[in-house]
Amino acid sequence: QQPVQSPQAVILREGEDAVINCSSSKALYSVHWYRQKHGEAPVFLMILLKGGEQKGHEKISASFNEKKQQSSLYLTASQLSYSGTYFCGTDGSSNTGKLIFGQGTTLQVKP
Amino acid sequence: SAVISQKPSRDICQRGTSLTIQCQVDSQVTMMFWYRQQPGQSLTLIATANQGSEATYESGFVIDKFPISRPNLTFSTLTVSNMSPEDSSIYLCSVAKNTEAFFGQGTRLTVV
Repeated sequence: QQPVQSPQAVILREGEDAVINCSSSKALYSVHWYRQKHGEAPVFLMILLKGGEQKGHEKISASFNEKKQQSSLYLTASQLSYSGTYFCGTDGSSNTGKLIFGQGTTLQVKP
Repeated sequence: SAVISQKPSRDICQRGTSLTIQCQVDSQVTMMFWYRQQPGQSLTLIATANQGSEATYESGFVIDKFPISRPNLTFSTLTVSNMSPEDSSIYLCSVAKNTEAFFGQGTRLTVV
């Protein structure tokens, strides 16, 4: 089942913060976050694993609430380069890399 | 990490024809995944390509329409058969390495 992302779209000024949420109706093994710019392939940002391990990115962090089956991506002091569409991908199995993606959140950072 | 080379990067095809997309990985991987991204939409998993066995298709995707080959641990092909304009999408292959999923640059397909 497709995870649900919110909000669908965000417009920010440079330097502002944003939070993108990803919620699943199924138990999750891991949550992956990607950013995609127009015309390009998705780029890996972050993975959060059941049990608390996470691999991160400078100025971008995330949380994973296994019990609530939710993850949030935190973008701090946003830069123009943060603009794009953010997708969460969930893996409900034993970390096979087979991901089901949310519908995406479009982020636009303005000067 | 994994470097994925996908060909062609884009193509314009006539309806009723077929297109085969190739995906080459720079290291051996157990599973390769094929996704479709329709214009303005999210990525939808088409199938999982396993070496030595038939591909596993997701609901809504069938082998006759999207036949997949996986002849070895570094290569896979996806064919889009009997194309219609509704097949116009970006097709991406993906592999998992050390818990990360890596994507090829995608094949942008336009069916006219």
